[in-house]
Amino acid sequence: AQKITQTQPGMFVQEKEAVTLDCTYDTSDPSYGLFWYKQPSSGEMIFLIYQGSYDQQNATEGRYSLNFQKARKSANLVISASQLGDSAMYFCAMREENTGNQFYFGTGTSLTVIP
Amino acid sequence: EPEVTQTPSHQVTQMGQEVILRCVPISNHLYFYWYRQILGQKVEFLVSFYNNEISEKSEIFDDQFSVERPDGSNFTLKIRSTKLEDSAMYFCASREGLAVLYEQYFGPGTRLTVT
Repeated sequence: AQKITQTQPGMFVQEKEAVTLDCTYDTSDPSYGLFWYKQPSSGEMIFLIYQGSYDQQNATEGRYSLNFQKARKSANLVISASQLGDSAMYFCAMREENTGNQFYFGTGTSLTVIP
Repeated sequence: EPEVTQTPSHQVTQMGQEVILRCVPISNHLYFYWYRQILGQKVEFLVSFYNNEISEKSEIFDDQFSVERPDGSNFTLKIRSTKLEDSAMYFCASREGLAVLYEQYFGPGTRLTVT
């Protein structure tokens, strides 16, 4: 089974609108971390936001917030007030505390912000 | 802000040749990683390295691959005899600690093209 599933290969959003990028995960490890990375066309991977499995509150970082629903095993990224510079690939990733130290990545969502 | 650096940014090589991709992790980080991303696909884990030895590797990381930390700063990935399918973006990453909350900092990547 896939550790990380991103079901939206491509998304469009109007500038200044909010957008939600979906991510579901699969793990039996009670301790894990969920991460979102942004990859612009230049190729680098930029860390956006982190959510720990034991965190009680949803993580927020500026215009980014993570809608963490543990029972559903989902960790959706919400970008508020989209900007043209938000156009990029977005990857959800997970690391499990007790089963190795690699990151598992999803297939990514390509976000295009329309002016 | 400290960052992971990688050289070269782009490497073109002929099939069968050896290549060495270089990375300088963040100085106080202890865990080092190589990932690859075939064009248009997700990021795949290759290998993790800690305390001067491989701690985990994927099935992609076969005998053609090796990693080394030749001095206190560099972390290298060697591909002994490149194949066409090795063409990809290779990312180096480092982490300060092993707990799930520690994010991985990615380098800007090396685009390897095998002709």
